[in-house]
Amino acid sequence: GQNIDQPTEMTATEGAIVQINCTYQTSGFNGLFWYQQHAGEAPTFLSYNVLDGLEEKGRFSSFLSRSKGYSYLLLKELQMKDSASYLCAVSPVFNQGGKLIFGQGTELSVKP
Amino acid sequence: GAVVSQHPSRVICKSGTSVKIECRSLDFQATTMFWYRQFPKQSLMLMATSNEGSKATYEQGVEKDKFLINHASLTLSTLTVTSAHPEDSSFYICSARDPLVPRSDNEQFFGPGTRLTVL
Repeated sequence: GQNIDQPTEMTATEGAIVQINCTYQTSGFNGLFWYQQHAGEAPTFLSYNVLDGLEEKGRFSSFLSRSKGYSYLLLKELQMKDSASYLCAVSPVFNQGGKLIFGQGTELSVKP
Repeated sequence: GAVVSQHPSRVICKSGTSVKIECRSLDFQATTMFWYRQFPKQSLMLMATSNEGSKATYEQGVEKDKFLINHASLTLSTLTVTSAHPEDSSFYICSARDPLVPRSDNEQFFGPGTRLTVL
């Protein structure tokens, strides 16, 4: 079966750093995505990892360890607008038309 | 990035009626589109994969006769919720792949979603 786990919610302070973890067990692996979703809106793409290691994009970084089935999203210099749900998604099989399996999402609250 | 639109953005209907939701890729041709459903405070659940010119592939537990999908052109897929009931009330989101975008980049582009409320 397919299983993707994330913490349900997290709280952090403005200006701080927060790490959101994601573990996965899927029938195959062809990449892991992180999306940000504000309430009532569509998800927006943040990052993509297919090889082990860290990918950095400005204030956001994402890490992947395929052997451990583990990823994290690191958000630095938190801003109030970063309060949102963060979704971890795995593409399980190569050439399956881009199908994605989503975790339940982590609701991040950034407080002053 | 590529743009995907959905229409309508919000719909309220009576129980027993059918509702059609459109998903369009505005500046690219999408051979594959995906339909997701999201209940409050939950994540996106893939309902089906819509392939242009062929039958949709439904996920386990999704009734194909209740959720009719038509992908008649490379820029349009429609989801029809037939005989809708209150438990079908949800946020429906489509996404589309641009086959010209490398897999190392943003793979799917999401529409803004359709909020369905069945009374």
